[in-house]
Amino acid sequence: GAGVSQSPSNKVTEKGKDVELRCDPISGHTALYWYRQSLGQGLEFLIYFQGNSAPDKSGLPSDRFSAERTGGSVSTLTIQRTQQEDSAVYLCASSSPTGAKNEQYFGPGTRLTVT
Amino acid sequence: AQKVTQAQTEISVVEKEDVTLDCVYETRDTTYYLFWYKQPPSGELVFLIRRNSFDEQNEISGRYSWNFQKSTSSFNFTITASQVVDSAVYFCALSEAGRRALTFGSGTRLQVQP
Repeated sequence: GAGVSQSPSNKVTEKGKDVELRCDPISGHTALYWYRQSLGQGLEFLIYFQGNSAPDKSGLPSDRFSAERTGGSVSTLTIQRTQQEDSAVYLCASSSPTGAKNEQYFGPGTRLTVT
Repeated sequence: AQKVTQAQTEISVVEKEDVTLDCVYETRDTTYYLFWYKQPPSGELVFLIRRNSFDEQNEISGRYSWNFQKSTSSFNFTITASQVVDSAVYFCALSEAGRRALTFGSGTRLQVQP
């Protein structure tokens, strides 16, 4: 079946603008994660959604970052007033309902460049 | 707090050599999961293996094998008879039972020369 998809694949924005990044998880996967990968910080967790439970937002670096998941499927990560340090590849992952195993499958990522 | 250390930043081998990628982890939980992911030049993270903390059996999948040792908090990954297509960055990761987020190591870049 289809894997995790993300859009756009690349985004260039000016400092101070807001951006929205989209993730479509694997069908039937109830858990959805956002991570980012940057040269300086490596791979770091941002936020996690599981079904109707309150999301784990412990990895969000500032209040400029937010995410929502509508209908238990598609998720949008929003970065307000972007800064140059937000430049990174934003990765989305999902895992199945038998989630004790926590095998996360990743999308291709969105490369964000803030100029 | 959990931590994953991949001390090898970059490894270069010649095709058909065996290579071992090291991973050392720290966690206070008794129940946790360890993972290896491959990130080829195309960029997409590919899941390779998951191991839970109660299962110390080593695993072999084709040319890949994994050695999990709780006594040394290590989960090493060996590629036998390496091939050029194995060239990638390999990440080791940990998740604790109570927190599903993955904590990644810094990755090891493997270059397999023909």
